[in-house]
Amino acid sequence: DTGVSQNPRHKITKRGQNVTFRCDPISEHNRLYWYRQTLGQGPEFLTYFQNEAQLEKSRLLSDRFSAERPKGSFSTLEIQRTEQGDSAMYLCASSFRSGQETQYFGPGTRLLVL
Amino acid sequence: AQSVTQLDSQVPVFEEAPVELRCNYSSSVSVYLFWYVQYPNQGLQLLLKYLSGSTLVKGINGFEAEFNKSQTSFHLRKPSVHISDTAEYFCAVGMDTGRRALTFGSGTRLQVQP
Repeated sequence: DTGVSQNPRHKITKRGQNVTFRCDPISEHNRLYWYRQTLGQGPEFLTYFQNEAQLEKSRLLSDRFSAERPKGSFSTLEIQRTEQGDSAMYLCASSFRSGQETQYFGPGTRLLVL
Repeated sequence: AQSVTQLDSQVPVFEEAPVELRCNYSSSVSVYLFWYVQYPNQGLQLLLKYLSGSTLVKGINGFEAEFNKSQTSFHLRKPSVHISDTAEYFCAVGMDTGRRALTFGSGTRLQVQP
């Protein structure tokens, strides 16, 4: 069990550029979640996958955001035409489908949009 | 809809003193409850969780929490804190059916002073 990993750990970009983040969940976990955390706040849910199916999306996930999990393993989160308000920590979590599930979080990707 | 309120944004405490971090939630359905800890520039680490059964839950690093259904609370306690406990603590609630996203509180910064 190597834990949830995220790459890159830090990303600085200019407004208007596209960025993509990757999340590798714990190997046997079939559920994967993306959250966003701004300074001084708790994480806010963005989207959730069960295997390769995206089952839930938050209203926070504007049309500039897209997430994929093509083979039910790793996931990518892309932000198009970044805005300064997108600056945040993007957290990925995974869990194993059961009646009592615990979400395990990765270290996060910190995005700064200049 | 669920919500989580962490009543204290900051809690200063001296080393070896006891501490309680307060968490209240609201939900119309049965919930699971979690406490996570976040060290600077890191992701979230699970401290403890309440799923069912005994209302007193013991976690890692000497922390424990008590679920109180009538008061809709899940306060976190530690009898004697260390400098290394300085971190941000998040209370979160999840549903046992339906929506899989966790709802987080805004966090409590525990500052342990020598």
